[in-house]
Amino acid sequence: ETGVTQTPRHLVMGMTNKKSLKCEQHLGHNAMYWYKQSAKKPLELMFVYSLEERVENNSVPSRFSPECPNSSHLFLHLHTLQPEDSALYLCASSQVRLGAYEQYFGPGTRLTVT
Amino acid sequence: AQSVAQPEDQVNVAEGNPLTVKCTYSVSGNPYLFWYVQYPNRGLQFLLKYITGDNLVKGSYGFEAEFNKSQTSFHLKKPSALVSDSALYFCAVRDGGYGQNFVFGPGTRLSVLP
Repeated sequence: ETGVTQTPRHLVMGMTNKKSLKCEQHLGHNAMYWYKQSAKKPLELMFVYSLEERVENNSVPSRFSPECPNSSHLFLHLHTLQPEDSALYLCASSQVRLGAYEQYFGPGTRLTVT
Repeated sequence: AQSVAQPEDQVNVAEGNPLTVKCTYSVSGNPYLFWYVQYPNRGLQFLLKYITGDNLVKGSYGFEAEFNKSQTSFHLKKPSALVSDSALYFCAVRDGGYGQNFVFGPGTRLSVLP
């Protein structure tokens, strides 16, 4: 699990706050992902960055804003969130090449919106 | 569009008995299939993958999975379950090519009883 790190591990924020989640991968990968994991729901892919360009954006509300300054770092900026946004946010990375290259996940940030 | 089904929310098995966690998939091209495990308060950990070749794939911690093209299934198996195998298991599919859209199943909770 140390290949992909996420900070903070836990975050409680009010609906009017602005905060950011950080992810860093130490695996030399060139694709990074944000997922949302809610109780009793399938894992939801939010954003994909491949070679530092956003290639997937699955109808995520604009109150979530990703940033990928380089291939090792990924941020998720949060503002004016809703209580239903409370979830475990997982970051993952993989290598982009033709073929099936598995993703490696961080431990997640447990977000609670009050 | 890709999809993954895990028909069982919960699987209970006695320690020492064989276990099976079921997965079926739908994908337009050749499937790339994965199994992940998630322990409490942790991210997902990669177990094994099928890309091509031998239909029986061996992975971490004694797990294996069998790819069955005609039944579009990729069931996870282990000959002898351990209490420490108790966790949430996710099947995932990705289509071939350069696409980075992994689709995860809803997860199956495995409980191994001592």
